[in-house]
Amino acid sequence: EILLTQSPGTLSLSPGERATLSCRASQSVGSSYLAWYQQKPGQAPKLLIYGASSRATGIPDRFSGSGSGTDFTLTISRLEPEDFAVYFCHQYGNSPVTFGQGTKVEI
Amino acid sequence: EVQLVQSGGEVKKPGESLRISCRASGYSFTSYWISWVRQMPGKGLEWMGKIDPDDSDARYSPSFQGHVTISADKSINTAYVQWNSLKASDTAMYYCARHGSWGAWYDPWGQGTLVTVSS
Repeated sequence: EILLTQSPGTLSLSPGERATLSCRASQSVGSSYLAWYQQKPGQAPKLLIYGASSRATGIPDRFSGSGSGTDFTLTISRLEPEDFAVYFCHQYGNSPVTFGQGTKVEI
Repeated sequence: EVQLVQSGGEVKKPGESLRISCRASGYSFTSYWISWVRQMPGKGLEWMGKIDPDDSDARYSPSFQGHVTISADKSINTAYVQWNSLKASDTAMYYCARHGSWGAWYDPWGQGTLVTVSS
């Protein structure tokens, strides 16, 4: 089973700032089968990025994903008030699929 | 609009059985796998298993194998997860999610079903 470790656990930033979230895998995630989700309190997760760097439909271009192999990054270029949430990475290249423990982006 | 609508919250006692549902609309139900994901209170996401609604081929995470059963009824575009004997530790929010067109990312997700198991 691939272990995904996200860092930092909590990121304290202000609107307009840049957020950089890391997701490190215990072994290579084949063919960049890595997704990112945003979850707000009381809501289901929402897909942001798939294939490590492809934005899902309707996701603003301030969200970008990068990386390959074992190191992946989600970048939010300029935080908007609605971006304060928890973010999870997810590898789906190896079974069982696994999720990171989450990074909370707070004001 | 592609949508997954889950059944309502449940309160059960340990040892009871339960089946919760996930009804799909807005797309061809038999063309995409559906996964179930658990989120315990204040915790992260855990993949439970998945099903191909076309032939009901179900696969399970080793952590959930033998404790839940995932099924689907393609005549009514609905997937299910079932427990035969609930435990207090099954208290959690459960989500269904549709797989992507060529990979197992999840989009969209159902709104979640809160299951509470308490004596």
